[in-house]
Amino acid sequence: QQQVKQSPQSLIVQKGGISIINCAYENTAFDYFPWYQQFPGKGPALLIAIRPDVSEKKEGRFTISFNKSAKQFSLHIMDSQPGDSATYFCAAKTETGFQKLVFGTGTRLLVSP
Amino acid sequence: GAGVSQSPSNKVTEKGKDVELRCDPISGHTALYWYRQSLGQGLEFLIYFQGNSAPDKSGLPSDRFSAERTGGSVSTLTIQRTQQEDSAVYLCASSPRGLSYEQYFGPGTRLTVT
Repeated sequence: QQQVKQSPQSLIVQKGGISIINCAYENTAFDYFPWYQQFPGKGPALLIAIRPDVSEKKEGRFTISFNKSAKQFSLHIMDSQPGDSATYFCAAKTETGFQKLVFGTGTRLLVSP
Repeated sequence: GAGVSQSPSNKVTEKGKDVELRCDPISGHTALYWYRQSLGQGLEFLIYFQGNSAPDKSGLPSDRFSAERTGGSVSTLTIQRTQQEDSAVYLCASSPRGLSYEQYFGPGTRLTVT
């Protein structure tokens, strides 16, 4: 069964610190790994995504690290800000058949001022 | 441009009643998805439409749930004989053809079954 496991469930980081969220997958039939950010009362929004042939991708303060052999990927938020407080979902896109996203269970991040 | 819109934003219904939730995707997006998000939980896939192909209904939790997409655009998710466990936020997303990892979500419909 295709699954994406995400940890931690919740995270509290001080302003200026580094937030790290981890995900692991079991099935190798994934070909894209996006991260989504969701603020309360809103739908999730695409934050950053990575292909499995790339080990790292950086966009501003957000970086995805990808370890294909370990089937793990993580989101790092550098210089975390109170405005980053949201729920973050990792996901993996199936590469064949109905191409859809399998989402992790989410991490609720709180950045304290 | 206009994003994905959903209506109603909130719906309160009595147990046993039928409800219809509407989604207007971004114009030109060929793929449309429905998800369910229970309080504090992740995103549960329900159904996926891609162009004129038969939909992927593998996520529908029971035969009380159905969805249709008319003219390749607007979609309606119908829940018959609602139960209290159906209470959740129902999210719709659309994506351009060939970019199904890049999904654009609507604000959701919060359904409460009393």
